[in-house]
Amino acid sequence: GQQVMQIPQYQHVQEGEDFTTYCNSSTTLSNIQWYKQRPGGHPVFLIQLVKSGEVKKQKRLTFQFGEAKKNSSLHITATQTTDVGTYFCAGPPSGGSNYKLTFGKGTLLTVNP
Amino acid sequence: DTAVSQTPKYLVTQMGNDKSIKCEQNLGHDTMYWYKQDSKKFLKIMFSYNNKELIINETVPNRFSPKSPDKAHLNLHINSLELGDSAVYFCASSLRETQYFGPGTRLLVL
Repeated sequence: GQQVMQIPQYQHVQEGEDFTTYCNSSTTLSNIQWYKQRPGGHPVFLIQLVKSGEVKKQKRLTFQFGEAKKNSSLHITATQTTDVGTYFCAGPPSGGSNYKLTFGKGTLLTVNP
Repeated sequence: DTAVSQTPKYLVTQMGNDKSIKCEQNLGHDTMYWYKQDSKKFLKIMFSYNNKELIINETVPNRFSPKSPDKAHLNLHINSLELGDSAVYFCASSLRETQYFGPGTRLLVL
């Protein structure tokens, strides 16, 4: 079945440093979504990318979808303590049910003030 | 107003018991889901209903039985609870692919 890998599993940074998490799917995705889960909280939708090579920005966050629609990345510039949490990528397989998201295992980001 | 709500928030119970978790969404979405998040934070889909019809049924023990009385509600009943069922169970809903999660039910089986 479809597998979605994320690296790194953990990342600890000093406040102000940049952070990147990478997502790689074993199959082509129809779209990629990113979610953030604060400690003790629930996953919250951040963004969806649909087109091959698409890049979207949300303030200090930059999201990319690979040309082959199998990988994606999330980059945070100048991290803040409010960025702490686990970042998940998720996507439905291309040609499959759009309702069935496979989630990566997430990258836990901690930020030292 | 809470978009996706779940009850109870915490559930502590003995092995072998039967328990239910309830979920309600007021977003007008057609599709609802149950996810299980284990201690390593891995999120795995269990079930999905679209307009009260089961559309996704992953490899889940048949001790788990979902029920959708209407498209705004999705409940999860678990029979004969086992230690390995301890996890956080999230309900979610969606209009298309984007999913809106409830606050979660933290289940601990002793």
